[in-house]
Amino acid sequence: GENVEQHPSTLSVQEGDSAVIKCTYSDSASNYFPWYKQELGKGPQLIIDIRSNVGEKKDQRIAVTLNKTAKHFSLHITETQPEDSAVYFCAAPLMRFGAGTRLTVKP
Amino acid sequence: KAGVTQTPRYLIKTRGQQVTLSCSPISGHRSVSWYQQTPGQGLQFLFEYFSETQRNKGNFPGRFSGRQFSNSRSEMNVSTLELGDSALYLCASSGGYSEAFFGQGTRLTVV
Repeated sequence: GENVEQHPSTLSVQEGDSAVIKCTYSDSASNYFPWYKQELGKGPQLIIDIRSNVGEKKDQRIAVTLNKTAKHFSLHITETQPEDSAVYFCAAPLMRFGAGTRLTVKP
Repeated sequence: KAGVTQTPRYLIKTRGQQVTLSCSPISGHRSVSWYQQTPGQGLQFLFEYFSETQRNKGNFPGRFSGRQFSNSRSEMNVSTLELGDSALYLCASSGGYSEAFFGQGTRLTVV
């Protein structure tokens, strides 16, 4: 099956700084790469996704980049705010999830 | 459009008992996937149903089973509960091989 590795497991940044979370996958046929945000007591929520025919996608302060050659994709959050504090998950096709990254944004 | 609804939200069961959890997907979605979430193991894929057929299955023992009805609602069942089954069980619905939308989850505690 698809293996997805996610790093780092925890990330702490100061408000206003950028945060980057990276995932690597094994199946070269993968073509859809979503990112989810999970806040305490809630289910994961899709925040951004990218398909294999695109190298980068942006939505306000968040962006996802994809490197198909290296088989990795990354979530970038700029100008972080305390409300960005949550657990972030990447996923590969067949909806196998990475282990999650707990992001803490310090005011 | 209503989101994914999971019932019940919380459940306490005794070891050895069985439990059934329910998931109503977004209207029009035919795929329902189930996940187990624990603090140490992250989101572990249980199984996926599409049009009443199990399409994919994760690495869980046979005590974990599921089914999907003709209206796409899905249930998962865990028999002979163990303490280690305590977790948040999430279901996600999808309209195809793309975006999945999660419910709030059912928190199961086995005592």
